[in-house]
Amino acid sequence: SQQGEEDPQALSIQEGENATMNCSYKTSINNLQWYRQNSGRGLVHLILIRSNEREKHSGRLRVTLDTSKKSSSLLITASRAADTASYFCATDFSGNTPLVFGKGTRLSVIA
Amino acid sequence: EAEVAQSPRYKITEKSQAVAFWCDPISGHATLYWYRQILGQGPELLVQFQDESVVDDSQLPKDRFSAERLKGVDSTLKIQPAELGDSAMYLCASSPRVSSGYTFGSGTRLTVV
Repeated sequence: SQQGEEDPQALSIQEGENATMNCSYKTSINNLQWYRQNSGRGLVHLILIRSNEREKHSGRLRVTLDTSKKSSSLLITASRAADTASYFCATDFSGNTPLVFGKGTRLSVIA
Repeated sequence: EAEVAQSPRYKITEKSQAVAFWCDPISGHATLYWYRQILGQGPELLVQFQDESVVDDSQLPKDRFSAERLKGVDSTLKIQPAELGDSAMYLCASSPRVSSGYTFGSGTRLTVV
């Protein structure tokens, strides 16, 4: 079974707009990670946020974590056509178990 | 930049045939994972290795799937016999330690006909 649930399942925006994707999970976590996957390719690690952190930035990416609500969000600012991909959240339960991935959000950025 | 190598990139096989996938993780990464991803879904773990030892294979269909990492470096995933429902992307990933980010290979797209 998949731990994380991304929302929305699909998102279509214009280039230059911001894109927000959400992830909810069910049990306590050690850390939460976000990955990007271009069509037919492997996943690329974007950001890791630990359970004692509330926000992290990396370039145009901003990730927040609310452990009380068991949710995380990924914000991509000033989106570009090259950001078109599927985005997955993945949860690490305990630090000793493999990541459990959600079903992903398909982002389309229209030029 | 170091990469996880996977081969073949694509594989078409007939039902009931045997098929094998190969993965070479980033040098020095002790932990290696095989995931299966059905189109439109997220990756699901098949097996996790720590060095040459299997740590988690609870989701591996052991009647037909096998995985090995004999010298704690590269790894092979085998399916025998292949079934139509095995059509999927098979992804290999490695990490320096369990609680860090993963580096994924480009995957092997398997089609069983």
